[in-house]
Amino acid sequence: GAVVSQHPSRVICKSGTSVKIECRSLDFQATTMFWYRQFPKKSLMLMATSNEGSKATYEQGVEKDKFLINHASLTLSTLTVTSAHPEDSSFYICSAQLADNSYNEQFFGPGTRLTVL
Amino acid sequence: GQNIDQPTEMTATEGAIVQINCTYQTSGFNGLFWYQQHAGEAPTFLSYNVLDGLEEKGRFSSFLSRSKGYSYLLLKELQMKDSASYLCAVMDSNYQLIWGAGTKLIIKP
Repeated sequence: GAVVSQHPSRVICKSGTSVKIECRSLDFQATTMFWYRQFPKKSLMLMATSNEGSKATYEQGVEKDKFLINHASLTLSTLTVTSAHPEDSSFYICSAQLADNSYNEQFFGPGTRLTVL
Repeated sequence: GQNIDQPTEMTATEGAIVQINCTYQTSGFNGLFWYQQHAGEAPTFLSYNVLDGLEEKGRFSSFLSRSKGYSYLLLKELQMKDSASYLCAVMDSNYQLIWGAGTKLIIKP
């Protein structure tokens, strides 16, 4: 099956620093990748949709200058949390959609737990 | 290795009951989640089980047996809007989510 990886799996950083999270589709090409934020025992909140070679589309209320998304290739998208603050502490999950996927099926990564001190 | 198994697709009739099974093998266990996802939309949280037993929430119930590595999602009084994919995910000992591939549920009139 389609595998999506995320790196790092866990990161602890100081307030004010920037953190980069990578999302990779390991055995397929993904023209579209999604970044979600999960709150404890809650639904995933879609932050942005990332299309290879173009600017990401951000959901309402998500600061694009704070959450920088780059989708440089068909197998890699990165999310950079800039000037992180404790309220940015969360579980960030990416998913990737197969190219030419008529069913809009997404494959999810294992998540990255960010803790900002 | 770690894996989550759930059926790829199921079909049921409007008004009926359907049970979607999920079996898992993970390194450690910190809870099991069920999500519903309609095509093109973000997954919606349905349930979280960390202790054995049945959790009922309206038309949806979720069951967990940790000793058997098994869970099911039970949907009653099926409605057409329940047609969606249902994702099972387990949080392992490192608090990483291990995702099932999802079960596509088709509801017929």
